[in-house]
Amino acid sequence: GDSVTQMEGPVTLSEEAFLTINCTYTATGYPSLFWYVQYPGEGLQLLLKATKADDKGSNKGFEATYRKETTSFHLEKGSVQVSDSAVYFCALGYGGATNKLIFGTGTLLAVQP
Amino acid sequence: DAGVIQSPRHEVTEMGQEVTLRCKPISGHNSLFWYRQTMMRGLELLIYFNNNVPIDDSGMPEDRFSAKMPNASFSTLKIQPSEPRDSAVYFCASSRQTPGLTPETQYFGPGTRLLVL
Repeated sequence: GDSVTQMEGPVTLSEEAFLTINCTYTATGYPSLFWYVQYPGEGLQLLLKATKADDKGSNKGFEATYRKETTSFHLEKGSVQVSDSAVYFCALGYGGATNKLIFGTGTLLAVQP
Repeated sequence: DAGVIQSPRHEVTEMGQEVTLRCKPISGHNSLFWYRQTMMRGLELLIYFNNNVPIDDSGMPEDRFSAKMPNASFSTLKIQPSEPRDSAVYFCASSRQTPGLTPETQYFGPGTRLLVL
């Protein structure tokens, strides 16, 4: 079946460091891929998405490229800020009748000033 | 738009009591999802509805859990009787299902923090 695997956290970085959070997936079809972010005490919110191979999603300085050949969707940011501290979830999903998303376990990012 | 509304935001109850969590999805959305989040198990999908009809309830942990969606603007998740291991944050999310191949964004509510003593 379909699944999403994320790197274990926590990831601890200093402000302005480069961020990579790895995400790989197993899919029976051709899913869309997502990154959601959860700030402390809040629900998840969409950060970015990509709907087909080689698409790049980007938002708020974060980006991720849908790599079909490596079944990956790694999240990157060139310079993190303290305000980026949150839990990041990678997810995949299909449209149509099956509308649900399959989430990874989440990766906690802690950015220190 | 007010976003997804959940109530209560916090609930503390004693083992054996009935707990009812409520959700109002975003107007115009026709898919609704209930999730549970714990440190041990992470984020779990419990059940989801399309057009008020339950589509997949395979994530509901046991018969003590039930969910209803009597209309497009309201859903409940009920636990009866509650147990300490049900302590978690329960999220409701909604989206707009389309016949296309791309799933629409899910919008999450702020969650209900449940503590069963």
